[in-house]
Amino acid sequence: AQSVAQPEDQVNVAEGNPLTVKCTYSVSGNPYLFWYVQYPNRGLQFLLKYITGDNLVKGSYGFEAEFNKSQTSFHLKKPSALVSDSALYFCAVRVPFYNQGGKLIFGQGTELSVKP
Amino acid sequence: GAVVSQHPSRVICKSGTSVKIECRSLDFQATTMFWYRQFPKKSLMLMATSNEGSKATYEQGVEKDKFLINHASLTLSTLTVTSAHPEDSSFYICSARARGFLSGNTIYFGEGSWLTVV
Repeated sequence: AQSVAQPEDQVNVAEGNPLTVKCTYSVSGNPYLFWYVQYPNRGLQFLLKYITGDNLVKGSYGFEAEFNKSQTSFHLKKPSALVSDSALYFCAVRVPFYNQGGKLIFGQGTELSVKP
Repeated sequence: GAVVSQHPSRVICKSGTSVKIECRSLDFQATTMFWYRQFPKKSLMLMATSNEGSKATYEQGVEKDKFLINHASLTLSTLTVTSAHPEDSSFYICSARARGFLSGNTIYFGEGSWLTVV
C-alpha cells in the first residue's frame, strides 16, 4: 500500500534562514511524489513533483525538493524562508492510474511558521 | 497552472436539507475528479473518485447515498450532500486530473467550499 509520512506537525524558521519540511514515503513500484501548499481557508496549490529524472526538483516560489530513493524521502527545501511562506504543506504520493485512477495519498501536513 | 473552480465557496444550509457543490475544470478536460473533506488544520480525507460518464468510486466508510457525486462532463463534477447534518459541516475540496498522457501527472485543486449546517 502507498503511504506518506510527514514526521513534523510544525516547523518554525526565522526569516532568511533555510527551511526543510520532511516527507518519507512507502510505495510499491516507482514513486510519483508531490508537494502542495495550503494557505488559510484556501485550496491546495501545486508546488512541485517528482516523476523521474533528476533527484533535485525545482518548483514554484523558490522551493525545491530532493528525491532520495535509498532513504525513501522527498524533503521540501528553500534556501531563504519568507514570512509569506507560512502555510500548511502537504506531501503526497500518487497511486498508479490503473489503480483507482491515480488518486493522491496525502501526508498529515506540516505547518510552517516563518518569523520575521 | 491549470484552473479548477469550486462553487459556492461558502454555503450555510439548514439541517435536513441538501446542498450541491460544483467543481469545474476551466481550461482543461478532466477525466478524473476527486472529492476530499478536510477538518481544520488536518490532512485531506479522500471521499470518492469520479470518472466522467461512470459511477463514482467511494472510499471505505463514505456513505454513497449521502454524498452523491456526479461527473456529467469532462469539465464538471458535483457533490451533493443529502439530508445534511451539523456533523457534515466541513471544508470540501475537489481536484481534477487533466486528460491526456503528457498532462496527466499533475492533479490540480479547487479553492474549496465551506459547508456549515445549522
